[in-house]
Amino acid sequence: GAGVSQTPSNKVTEKGKYVELRCDPISGHTALYWYRQSLGQGPEFLIYFQGTGAADDSGLPNDRFFAVRPEGSVSTLKIQRTERGDSAVYLCASSLQGPSTDTQYFGPGTRLTVL
Amino acid sequence: QKEVEQNSGPLSVPEGAIASLNCTYSDRGSQSFFWYRQYSGKSPELIMFIYSNGDKEDGRFTAQLNKASQYVSLLIRDSQPSDSATYLCAVFEGGFKTIFGAGTRLFVKA
Repeated sequence: GAGVSQTPSNKVTEKGKYVELRCDPISGHTALYWYRQSLGQGPEFLIYFQGTGAADDSGLPNDRFFAVRPEGSVSTLKIQRTERGDSAVYLCASSLQGPSTDTQYFGPGTRLTVL
Repeated sequence: QKEVEQNSGPLSVPEGAIASLNCTYSDRGSQSFFWYRQYSGKSPELIMFIYSNGDKEDGRFTAQLNKASQYVSLLIRDSQPSDSATYLCAVFEGGFKTIFGAGTRLFVKA
């Protein structure tokens, strides 16, 4: 079946602009995760959704970052007033139920570049 | 600060050898431990997970967990050039958060 998809694959924006990154999880997966990965680093947890609700958003760096999953499927990560330090690959993952023993399936990522 | 530590490498092994990748973690309450492989420019993909002390084998891969020492390792037997990648250790600490290490780059020489 189809895997996790993310759009756009690349996004170049200017400092101060607003961006939205979209994630389409595997059908039937109730758990959805957003991570951010910088060069030479592992994925950094941002937020975890169980269904429609954000069960843990403790990884969001500040209030410029916000994510939604209104119908329990597609999720959008929103970044306001982008800064050069936001440049990274944003990864979305989904799993059947939750993070304790489930396999997290990662999407291809969105490479965000803030000029 | 809860941490997952890995040697960044690169770890270089000849084809057919055993590659040994190591990871330590700081939170004694950690429950589950995962090894992901990430090829350059690609997304992480799960190799295996372990949550009980001891060894867990899956094909050429063996994960080893020692909770007393807060140590988890991955052994790759009969290493192949196609195993050349970055290996990420990830730890589920309870709650909902999975913490990833920075990864170890493995290079298998043909």
